[in-house]
Amino acid sequence: SAVISQKPSRDICQRGTSLTIQCQVDSQVTMMFWYRQQPGQSLTLIATANQGSEATYESGFVIDKFPISRPNLTFSTLTVSNMSPEDSSIYLCSVEILYEQYFGPGTRLTVT
Amino acid sequence: QKEVEQDPGPLSVPEGAIVSLNCTYSNSAFQYFMWYRQYSRKGPELLMYTYSSGNKEDGRFTAQVDKSSKYISLFIRDSQPSDSATYLCAMSGGNQGGKLIFGQGTELSVKP
Repeated sequence: SAVISQKPSRDICQRGTSLTIQCQVDSQVTMMFWYRQQPGQSLTLIATANQGSEATYESGFVIDKFPISRPNLTFSTLTVSNMSPEDSSIYLCSVEILYEQYFGPGTRLTVT
Repeated sequence: QKEVEQDPGPLSVPEGAIVSLNCTYSNSAFQYFMWYRQYSRKGPELLMYTYSSGNKEDGRFTAQVDKSSKYISLFIRDSQPSDSATYLCAMSGGNQGGKLIFGQGTELSVKP
């Protein structure tokens, strides 16, 4: 398994601003993922972030809105840009180890 | 039609009961099947991981996969109040790569 931390754990942001969420893993992993979990909903994959390559975004998610960095094998960031109240959600990073995915604790974002 | 269907519940059972949680899916290419437990305001925790069809047991938890029926189950024996959480099924495989497709999650409450 892996120990995954996220910062911040929660934030309240104004409409039109941006927030960068950090994900740190205690071991080197190739594949990292970013998910969104809207209130009362299940998890939806935003993008896959592999070190050394551009992130791959799922349908409905674009790089301008959710830019991702993956500078090394233990760290990634997701930025939520030009936020609107519809972006209020929990954002989770996950890592894949031997076909199993492990999740961080999540970042609870509220946009006012 | 969603790729993965899961009854959201809520499901309420008395302590000690056997709990059965289920998901159906439509994509026959799925090969990897997972159950996650998510406590309120926490990230999903990997409970069970199964490859292809068959049963897997871990303590009080048993996961079953029936690929011919496109149906997976999680059984919890001797349920405890600490089992109260949302249980999410997830699956991947085929041309999805490492992408997990989640069910909606079933909210379980075990009453003392």
